[in-house]
Amino acid sequence: LAKTTQPISMDSYEGQEVNITCSHNNIATNDYITWYQQFPSQGPRFIIQGYKTKVTNEVASLFIPADRKSSTLSLPRVSLSDTAVYYCLVVLSSSNTGKLIFGQGTTLQVKP
Amino acid sequence: GAVVSQHPSWVICKSGTSVKIECRSLDFQATTMFWYRQFPKQSLMLMATSNEGSKATYEQGVEKDKFLINHASLTLSTLTVTSAHPEDSSFYICSATKGQGAIQPQHFGDGTRLSIL
Repeated sequence: LAKTTQPISMDSYEGQEVNITCSHNNIATNDYITWYQQFPSQGPRFIIQGYKTKVTNEVASLFIPADRKSSTLSLPRVSLSDTAVYYCLVVLSSSNTGKLIFGQGTTLQVKP
Repeated sequence: GAVVSQHPSWVICKSGTSVKIECRSLDFQATTMFWYRQFPKQSLMLMATSNEGSKATYEQGVEKDKFLINHASLTLSTLTVTSAHPEDSSFYICSATKGQGAIQPQHFGDGTRLSIL
């Protein structure tokens, strides 16, 4: 499973767009990039997943360049409730187990 | 859909007690469930993969006799921390995948906070 590297922490203000970049230099051809969000004392929650180019859903966008060695999670107009830890993971599509290995994540603090 | 429920949400018990944590997929069947533990301000650490009808697969360094996993049905996996000691105090989280395929998102329970006195 490819290792991921993300900033340990980020600060932002309400209403701003937040971009969290994740490096995954050893990503394999069959790997997908997945992001989860975790609030204190709760289990993680799936945000978005992609393989290449751009994926958008109702809460976020995921940008993946052609070489796929990095990806950027974009949160539009964050609010205080977006304060959480964000984890970037790569998932091997051909895996028999589908297990996830979490890195340290990025702690996002949104200020008023 | 895709709700995973854990019970209890928190438990405090004396050292030497065995504690059972339940993980249920409420509206889907889960052939595979996963168990994690998380220490304060740290990331999730995968403990084991729970397979319905067969033995769990433990990650390196996780004692299978200490952390007993039983996946007796397609909607229930249990983790029993045997003879718990203060160092076993942690936040235990389970997850399950709805549908087949490794890239299916995992749905997590809200965790069980275990405190051993």
